[in-house]
Amino acid sequence: EIVLTQSPATLSLSPGDRATLSCRASQSIRSYLAWYQQKPGQAPRLLIYDASSRATGIPARFSGSGSGTDFTLTISSLEPEDFAVYYCQQRSNWPLTFGGGTKVEIK
Amino acid sequence: QVQLVESGGGVVQPGRSLRLSCAASGFTFSSYGMHWVRQAPGKGLEWVADIWYDGSNKYSADPVKGRFTISRDNSKDTLYLQMNSLRAEDTAVYYCARDGRSGYSSGCPDYWGQGTLVTVSS
Repeated sequence: EIVLTQSPATLSLSPGDRATLSCRASQSIRSYLAWYQQKPGQAPRLLIYDASSRATGIPARFSGSGSGTDFTLTISSLEPEDFAVYYCQQRSNWPLTFGGGTKVEIK
Repeated sequence: QVQLVESGGGVVQPGRSLRLSCAASGFTFSSYGMHWVRQAPGKGLEWVADIWYDGSNKYSADPVKGRFTISRDNSKDTLYLQMNSLRAEDTAVYYCARDGRSGYSSGCPDYWGQGTLVTVSS
């Protein structure tokens, strides 16, 4: 099973700041990584798939990069609605696995 | 627009069974793979199982293998999760989700339902 490790666990930032979230895989997953956003009481929303492709309707301030074992989600300038928990997920090997999440909170 | 509505959750005793349903609309259900993903209270996301567009292939996570069965009825646009021998650690919100590619399951859920809570407790 591929283990995904997200860091940091919590990111305390202000609106307008740049957010950089990391996801590391226990073995190479090529570019088969997705990022999801989840707000309290809501279902996850797909942001990025295949490491760097934005999903339908996702604003350009969200971008993804990386391949192999190291991946990054960047939010260029935080909007108030971006404060949430973010998960990475790999689809290189079954079982599909998720990282433990990074909470982006208001500083 | 894509809509997924889960139902069937509730409180159940350990060792008992429960069947979840997910009614799909707004897309051609029979063309897409589907997933179940769960989230224990206050915890992260855990993939449970997926099924190809035609039901010909299914995969499940080790913690539920042999106890949970994913299935679908394309004539009713509905996905199911039959859960047997339930344990306390199965307590979670269960989400159904559509796969992002038509055909086989690519492993990337794109649209998610709002979830249904399953509580396993005596």
